[in-house]
Amino acid sequence: GQQLNQSPQSMFIQEGEDVSMNCTSSSIFNTWLWYKQDPGEGPVLLIALYKAGELTSNGRLTAQFGITRKDSFLNISASIPSDVGIYFCAGQNLDSNYQLIWGAGTKLIIKP
Amino acid sequence: DVKVTQSSRYLVKRTGEKVFLECVQDMDHENMFWYRQDPGLGLRLIYFSYDVKMKEKGDIPEGYSVSREKKERFSLILESASTNQTSMYLCASSFQAAGSDEQYFGPGTRLTVT
Repeated sequence: GQQLNQSPQSMFIQEGEDVSMNCTSSSIFNTWLWYKQDPGEGPVLLIALYKAGELTSNGRLTAQFGITRKDSFLNISASIPSDVGIYFCAGQNLDSNYQLIWGAGTKLIIKP
Repeated sequence: DVKVTQSSRYLVKRTGEKVFLECVQDMDHENMFWYRQDPGLGLRLIYFSYDVKMKEKGDIPEGYSVSREKKERFSLILESASTNQTSMYLCASSFQAAGSDEQYFGPGTRLTVT
C-alpha cells in the first residue's frame, strides 16, 4: 500500500536540543496525525491536524498541517530523555475509507 | 480515556498451531483494525472492520482471518501459524464520524512462532 515519506529515519541528539521531523505525500491529505511509540508498547496519539495551515501544540510538541495538504512536520523543543522512541506520521486522503496511511517512523535517540 | 486491550502481551506458539489474538475496546468505536509491525517495515494493515460482521482486507491479509461478532471485540486468527508470522501485533479502533480519524492502539501482542 501507499506509504508516506517520513524523514529522517533516525536522529541522535543531545538532551536539550530541538528536534524536527516531517512527512510528505504525493497526494492531498485531509488529516495528519502524529504518534509516539515507546519500546514494546502501542503507538500513542500526540497531535491530530484537520485543516491546511493548522498549527497545534501539545506541551513541548508542535505540529503543522502543510498549506499544500501534502506535508506535515513535528517539532519537539528542549528534548528530554523520555522523548526517546519512534515517532510516526499518519494521514488520510479521500480514498482512505477509514484507513490511515503510515510513515515508516523516525527513531529518536538521545546521546548520553 | 479510550481503552483498547489485547488478550496477551507475549505469546509463544508452535508452527502449525491455530492462534487467536483478541482485542476489546470500550469506547463504542465502529472501526477496528489489526496491524503487524516488523523492524524497518513500519505498521502494515492486515484486516479492518467497519461494523459488526463486516471485514475488509488490508495490505497483508494472507495467512490471517478475522472475526467481529460484537462491536467491542475484534479477533485475529492465524489458522496455521508459521515462523514468518513472528511479529508484534497491534489492534486499534476509531470512530467513523467526520473529523474523527484518530486511531487508538492497544499495547500490542508480541507473538513468537517456533
